[in-house]
Amino acid sequence: GAVVSQHPSRVICKSGTSVKIECRSLDFQATTMFWYRQFPKKSLMLMATSNEGSKATYEQGVEKDKFLINHASLTLSTLTVTSAHPEDSSFYICSASIVASGDNEQFFGPGTRLTVL
Amino acid sequence: AQSVTQLDSQVPVFEEAPVELRCNYSSSVSVYLFWYVQYPNQGLQLLLKYLSGSTLVKGINGFEAEFNKSQTSFHLRKPSVHISDTAEYFCAVSDGPGGFKTIFGAGTRLFVKA
Repeated sequence: GAVVSQHPSRVICKSGTSVKIECRSLDFQATTMFWYRQFPKKSLMLMATSNEGSKATYEQGVEKDKFLINHASLTLSTLTVTSAHPEDSSFYICSASIVASGDNEQFFGPGTRLTVL
Repeated sequence: AQSVTQLDSQVPVFEEAPVELRCNYSSSVSVYLFWYVQYPNQGLQLLLKYLSGSTLVKGINGFEAEFNKSQTSFHLRKPSVHISDTAEYFCAVSDGPGGFKTIFGAGTRLFVKA
């Protein structure tokens, strides 16, 4: 149980285009989802926390107009990278948490490799 | 504010040898502690977690960790490693019930040699 999927697994796009990444909890309802960015050989950097039906909470230094997060249902959150540039190339990972479990365990998606040319 | 320090960026070890990956944390409140493993180009998988109770926590793949409150440590151990244990390991801390922010350490690259 507690499987999280991400789509696409990798995407290559041209500079200036927008890219949408989907994160789905397949067999549970995720009241909270997290979006991370991971640079090569680095740790995970939390970008934002989203709760179903409300606006995402962005970490300091993360541009909310550039990284649009929507958590429309208890099983789906999307991250849209708008007007992508080469510096946005990275590995993006989502995770989901079940608030009712009370133990803060996060279930991670497999990640999306974004390459902006 | 919470923080997590993983003292070793890389740990090379021979197959079947024991290994310890070190993790220290700082927090002003009670903590939940986690170890996650990441294989190349994949997301993170939970190895084990400490919430309360016994300070020795057993996880998957033969790993265990010990919570030491006085030393604010949560070191990960395995008595005999396999080539397949080669991966990145992350220690993490959070301080509330589900949904609260989790802080990750910088990661330790475990490299198991034949």
